Amino acid sequence: QQQVKQSPQSLIVQKGGISIINCAYENTAFDYFPWYQQFPGKGPALLIAIRPDVSEKKEGRFTISFNKSAKQFSLHIMDSQPGDSATYFCAASRGTYKYIFGTGTRLKVLA
Amino acid sequence: GAVVSQHPSWVICKSGTSVKIECRSLDFQATTMFWYRQFPKQSLMLMATSNEGSKATYEQGVEKDKFLINHASLTLSTLTVTSAHPEDSSFYICSARDRQGGEKLFFGSGTQLSVL
Repeated sequence: QQQVKQSPQSLIVQKGGISIINCAYENTAFDYFPWYQQFPGKGPALLIAIRPDVSEKKEGRFTISFNKSAKQFSLHIMDSQPGDSATYFCAASRGTYKYIFGTGTRLKVLA
Repeated sequence: GAVVSQHPSWVICKSGTSVKIECRSLDFQATTMFWYRQFPKQSLMLMATSNEGSKATYEQGVEKDKFLINHASLTLSTLTVTSAHPEDSSFYICSARDRQGGEKLFFGSGTQLSVL
């Protein structure tokens, strides 16, 4: 019940395309869902986050869609660029407790 | 934004020696810091939760005598890998939670440890 399942494991997208990464959770007590971007040899950086009382949040080219009833949330990267090539992790947490991370998605955007 | 500084970024050591990794919150006070281990192309594995002024809470399967964590101040936590062996070689990452920032976690840039 503590797991966060993330898919796909890897993703290749053409420049200008839309990248979509999905996550699913089971614990309905989770109330905070962030997405992190990680480049090789670096720590993860917070991209965007959402709470379950909102169905969508947009920041620039990044959008989180949240489906509370399905216990799923997804990251959409619009107009994907080669510089977006990185590993993306979703996570879930309850209050100030520890994060539960997804398994990661390696995104490659072709020039 | 909040900055977490982790040092060193990489370290090579001989088997049997100890290595200390520092994690500092530069512009905020962190009552809680987390230490992770990450293997190549894998997710972050939480090793322990460190609260300022108290003993760290270790995740199941993590040897507390091998991975010593000290959180002596609101801006500094250290992870010491004692008597390191080649199997301890990994990427170690810390994160910190701003005491006034709610759920957000800010990560350090990681430390690549190679034990020969």
